[in-house]
Amino acid sequence: GQNIDQPTEMTATEGAIVQINCTYQTSGFNGLFWYQQHAGEAPTFLSYNVLDGLEEKGRFSSFLSRSKGYSYLLLKELQMKDSASYLCAVIDSNYQLIWGAGTKLIIKP
Amino acid sequence: DADVTQTPRNRITKTGKRIMLECSQTKGHDRMYWYRQDPGLGLRLIYYSFDVKDINKGEISDGYSVSRQAQAKFSLSLESAIPNQTALYFCATSDLSLSTGELFFGEGSRLTVL
Repeated sequence: GQNIDQPTEMTATEGAIVQINCTYQTSGFNGLFWYQQHAGEAPTFLSYNVLDGLEEKGRFSSFLSRSKGYSYLLLKELQMKDSASYLCAVIDSNYQLIWGAGTKLIIKP
Repeated sequence: DADVTQTPRNRITKTGKRIMLECSQTKGHDRMYWYRQDPGLGLRLIYYSFDVKDINKGEISDGYSVSRQAQAKFSLSLESAIPNQTALYFCATSDLSLSTGELFFGEGSRLTVL
């Protein structure tokens, strides 16, 4: 079956750096998304990776290794507003989107 | 105003009742999706539509039906609601294929079936 694994919950300190990992086993690969979802709200797009390497966008960066079935989202200079769930999703060979359960990130002052 | 609008935002109903969740979008996207989200689980696809004449089942379509009334409107129906359909439902749109564009989500419809 297809599977995406993310830690259920992480805690970090305001101003610090946190890395949220995502590993996947899917039938094929056509890209990987990261979304942010604040409690009770809609997911919003953060990043898209289809080639290996690091994509940087302001305080957020996303890394992909297709050979390892692995991605991470790196958040720098954490702010309280970064407290949210972070969802990893993979496009499989049938162009279906497979979602992880999400990582709840708690930021402490 | 939101680009993807869902109504109702919250609904409490009883087992056996028919429920319709509506979604409308002003983004001009052809592709529309209905997902449900449950605690501890990833988003699961119920139905999707690539244009007005195209309807496709997702991984959990049993107990649900959809209607694509126009490019901008995609509604989800529960013909006879049951308690395990209690969840947060999201409508989403995308332009072209997922490999060229991300999903845009509505604000969600929280459904409780008693």
